[in-house]
Amino acid sequence: EVQLLESGGGLVQPGRSLRLSCAASGFTFSGYAMTWVRQAPGEGLEWVSTISGSGGSTYYADSVKGRFTISRDTSKSTVYLQMNSLRAEDTALYYCAKDLLTVPDAFDIWGQGTMVTVSS
Amino acid sequence: DIQMTQSPSTLSASVGDRVSITCRASQSINIWLAWYQQKPGKAPKLLIYKASTLGTGVPSRFSGSGSGTEFTLTISSLQPDDFATYYCQQYNSYRATFGPGTKVEIK
Repeated sequence: EVQLLESGGGLVQPGRSLRLSCAASGFTFSGYAMTWVRQAPGEGLEWVSTISGSGGSTYYADSVKGRFTISRDTSKSTVYLQMNSLRAEDTALYYCAKDLLTVPDAFDIWGQGTMVTVSS
Repeated sequence: DIQMTQSPSTLSASVGDRVSITCRASQSINIWLAWYQQKPGKAPKLLIYKASTLGTGVPSRFSGSGSGTEFTLTISSLQPDDFATYYCQQYNSYRATFGPGTKVEIK
């Protein structure tokens, strides 16, 4: 069964850091790009970042560029989102998603999300 | 960045109705558009990609059309399980963007 399991969310103070993880199973991990999408409480979906299947290319939304870093570890079938200098507006449910291709594409598999709350 | 709009923002309909949701892009995105369904407390589900290709396991009452800047998601006969929020998403650029969503409510 194809599955994505996010972890690492929690309550963090503004300006601090947090690292999210997404463990993948049931498919050839290196064959697909992977993406993080977030959803603030009561709001719509916001694309955050994508990493290519090879890990050689990364893409970021302007709202997180320079603060967040996406990476992947093929040996662990895991994608990460390192979030630095967190702000209140980063509070959201963070979803990990699998792209249809090795390059950025539509997202066919989603995890259940991990909640990040930025508050003092 | 490419901006996406959706209309209507809310749609009230009855079981059995044919409903359509429109999504517009601020510039041409060819056919690189996807539609997702999201129910409260759940992750989004891929319905349509490449504007008109049905996702795996998606019922045939869902269909997508369009190219360039204007796209449509149609549900041919609304079922009780279809009451949800629907999002379009462009992936023409490697910086994806979502539309604001359309909530389909029971009339």
